[in-house]
Amino acid sequence: NAGVTQTPKFQVLKTGQSMTLQCAQDMNHNSMYWYRQDPGMGLRLIYYSASEGTTDKGEVPNGYNVSRLNKREFSLRLESAAPSQTSVYFCASSEFRTAYEQYFGPGTRLTVT
Amino acid sequence: AQSVTQLGSHVSVSEGALVLLRCNYSSSVPPYLFWYVQYPNQGLQLLLKYTSAATLVKGINDFEAEFKKSETSFHLTKPSAHMSDAAEYFCAVSPRGLTFGKGITLSVRP
Repeated sequence: NAGVTQTPKFQVLKTGQSMTLQCAQDMNHNSMYWYRQDPGMGLRLIYYSASEGTTDKGEVPNGYNVSRLNKREFSLRLESAAPSQTSVYFCASSEFRTAYEQYFGPGTRLTVT
Repeated sequence: AQSVTQLGSHVSVSEGALVLLRCNYSSSVPPYLFWYVQYPNQGLQLLLKYTSAATLVKGINDFEAEFKKSETSFHLTKPSAHMSDAAEYFCAVSPRGLTFGKGITLSVRP
């Protein structure tokens, strides 16, 4: 039981390049989330998927897109990376969106130069 | 709407001393409250949660937190700090998804 896994662990991009961050969970959870963590800002929600087949914007969605590929997998895409997207990205999952605790992956450290 | 305030960004205690990390919340509906811990270069791990049962909640590693509705608080305590407790701690409120506070870094002095 791996929990929530994320790939890659580290990535360096040049401004304007694109990439996709992958996330998978094996806990049969319905809801999945993407956060970014920046110093002094806590965790900010980028997008979430309350259930398979649905996605919704969070607090900071600009510059990102997501795909809920199936119940297990939720990917985050940066179409044209900008230095402001340098951050640590966390994927999380929970049984349902309402009231349940979330389980986090180990994070992806992204640097955009 | 829901929000969390964690006052101060850094707390330093001596090994063996009491740990107290403060959290105040705002919620228009009865809240669910969580404390998470993040060790360096790792993801967040759940320490404990309040989901409207007992107001005093015990978590892992001897941490506990008390829900006080009148004070809209959910402060985290541990009787005796250990060096391994050095980490960043986040308070979060639900039920409308999780809203996190900005986090508090705990340092433990030998």
